Amino acid sequence: DAMVIQNPRYQVTQFGKPVTLSCSQTLNHNVMYWYQQKSSQAPKLLFHYYDKDFNNEADTPDNFQSRRPNTSFCFLDIRSPGLGDAAMYLCATSRGLAGQETQYFGPGTRLLVL
Amino acid sequence: RKEVEQDPGPFNVPEGATVAFNCTYSNSASQSFFWYRQDCRKEPKLLMSVYSSGNEDGRFTAQLNRASQYISLLIRDSKLSDSATYLCVVPRRGDSNYQLIWGAGTKLIIKP
Repeated sequence: DAMVIQNPRYQVTQFGKPVTLSCSQTLNHNVMYWYQQKSSQAPKLLFHYYDKDFNNEADTPDNFQSRRPNTSFCFLDIRSPGLGDAAMYLCATSRGLAGQETQYFGPGTRLLVL
Repeated sequence: RKEVEQDPGPFNVPEGATVAFNCTYSNSASQSFFWYRQDCRKEPKLLMSVYSSGNEDGRFTAQLNRASQYISLLIRDSKLSDSATYLCVVPRRGDSNYQLIWGAGTKLIIKP
């Protein structure tokens, strides 16, 4: 089945130690998104790629970076994780950026910062 | 005022009952709306899209009230498996694309 895959499902890192989360998709969608979601809060969009075009949200800290080496893969790099970065990180895809487009989510990576 | 607002709940409802909750939005130009369902510690999944006055899918009905700027989600004959958080999503049109504005969700607990 076509899907969005995230690895790892759980990630433990140390304060200040760089960490990379990965996402892959078999849907061949043009757009890939990274969201941060904390408990009982709405998913917060960090950035998205339309093909190779990177779009950063204005309030996304510089500590968060992303790479999309090809259509199928997208990475979230957290350069120096702080305790406040502990959250669920959700990758999503959509065919396009129109208002009617459905987003398909991966199962998420839960990040714990010690 | 937040752009998309939802009552966080939780709504505690007996199995078999009908439950409804609303989502209010501030952008009167919004044309399409989504309800996503999110189970505990899982990813959001699309439940229903609303492009006109409403949509119905089995036990689930979404209705749009443009004058009062809210969309509602009604669940009939509720099941234990309906327990989840329901997230309202409203696209906001930008210069070249749309940005999805997410509500914080309404938590629903169905009790036997």
